[in-house]
Amino acid sequence: QVQLVQSGAEVKKPGASVKISCKTSGYTFTSYAIHWVRQAPGQSLEWMGWINAGNGVSKYSQKFQGRVTITRDTSASTAYMDLSSLRSEDTAVYYCARRGLFGEAPFDYWGQGTLVTVSS
Amino acid sequence: DIQLTQSPSFLSASVGDRVTITCRASQGISSYLAWYQQKPGKAPKLLIYVASTLQSGVPSRFSGSGSGTEFTLTISSLQPEDFATYYCQQLNYYPLTFGGGTKVEIK
Repeated sequence: QVQLVQSGAEVKKPGASVKISCKTSGYTFTSYAIHWVRQAPGQSLEWMGWINAGNGVSKYSQKFQGRVTITRDTSASTAYMDLSSLRSEDTAVYYCARRGLFGEAPFDYWGQGTLVTVSS
Repeated sequence: DIQLTQSPSFLSASVGDRVTITCRASQGISSYLAWYQQKPGKAPKLLIYVASTLQSGVPSRFSGSGSGTEFTLTISSLQPEDFATYYCQQLNYYPLTFGGGTKVEIK
């Protein structure tokens, strides 16, 4: 069955970086995209960016441009999201989600979420 | 960016009630809208995509409709496990955006 398993919770100081992994299984990794979405405490969902797991091309929300990098390792069927220059407002649960590469497909499978806490 | 406005933001209902949630887009998004259900501490779960297509395994009491700028999610007979927060998402334009959410609580 399709699974997306994320790395564990992180506590970071302001100005630091965090790298979260999203290990996938149960499907052909390179046939889909991986998107990243975050949710601050008590807030709605916010889309951050995505990677075409087939060709490795990434695109980002303008809000995070310059601070976020999404990569993938096809040999490990794993995607990564790196967020730099962390501030307290980046405290949130970060999710990866799978999306088809063609058409206007939805996010059909999600990781369990990774809590990132930014605090001095 | 496309803004999605959900209403109501909070809804109190009883088991067996028919519930309707609305999502309005700031500009036309064709039928490229999805609905998700989220329970506390859990990831969102896909319910409906392309406005009205039920995701495999989702109970038939959930239905979606609409196109362009106005969409609805209907739960025909609310069950105890349906108490959760519901989000719409547009998938037509980048950046992809979500609505503010509708929390459905037990009356």
